[in-house]
Amino acid sequence: DAGVIQSPRHEVTEMGQEVTLRCKPISGHDYLFWYRQTMMRGLELLIYFNNNVPIDDSGMPEDRFSAKMPNASFSTLKIQPSEPRDSAVYFCASSSSNTGEGNQPQHFGDGTRLSIL
Amino acid sequence: SQQGEEDPQALSIQEGENATMNCSYKTSINNLQWYRQNSGRGLVHLILIRSNEREKHSGRLRVTLDTSKKSSSLLITASRAADTASYFCATARPSNTGKLIFGQGTTLQVKP
Repeated sequence: DAGVIQSPRHEVTEMGQEVTLRCKPISGHDYLFWYRQTMMRGLELLIYFNNNVPIDDSGMPEDRFSAKMPNASFSTLKIQPSEPRDSAVYFCASSSSNTGEGNQPQHFGDGTRLSIL
Repeated sequence: SQQGEEDPQALSIQEGENATMNCSYKTSINNLQWYRQNSGRGLVHLILIRSNEREKHSGRLRVTLDTSKKSSSLLITASRAADTASYFCATARPSNTGKLIFGQGTTLQVKP
């Protein structure tokens, strides 16, 4: 049973470069979440989608960050241009509302460790 | 501040001892969830307790919820070295949006 798949697992790039993080949610899940985790700020919700539609992007730090979900099985988080302060672990998670109840458990990928030099 | 705030921030115990972590939150909730995160990995869901439940068990885990005090606790009994991880509580608002608010986490070290 495949879980949430993120790629790449690690990314090291120089500041100013474009970074694209990818996520494949669990099949059948209708919610997708992007989080950022750092020691200083903990786990922050950046944006989430329901049925491929962005619902809340209030956590996106600034216009350099953008996220898309072109279909139910794929999402990207893009940073352009990247800065050293964007260094963090980025997690994608998905969940399902098909039980009729909201706020069901989220399933996390193993993250992308991003380092901007 | 975070909806869910765990305490203590860090806990170190010997194998076989029990570990208790607490979570406080500020607003009404639909449910509260606990997650574990091993080093270098994503969060893994452990247990969900609904707002009308007071206690729930899963294996060596026991979760309590006191909505009048807006607090929850996670008890791990007979801890093992493999329980070493960070533990997070997450709250779900009654608005049913799918969104969870995570706390800062408790780092648990279980010494063999």
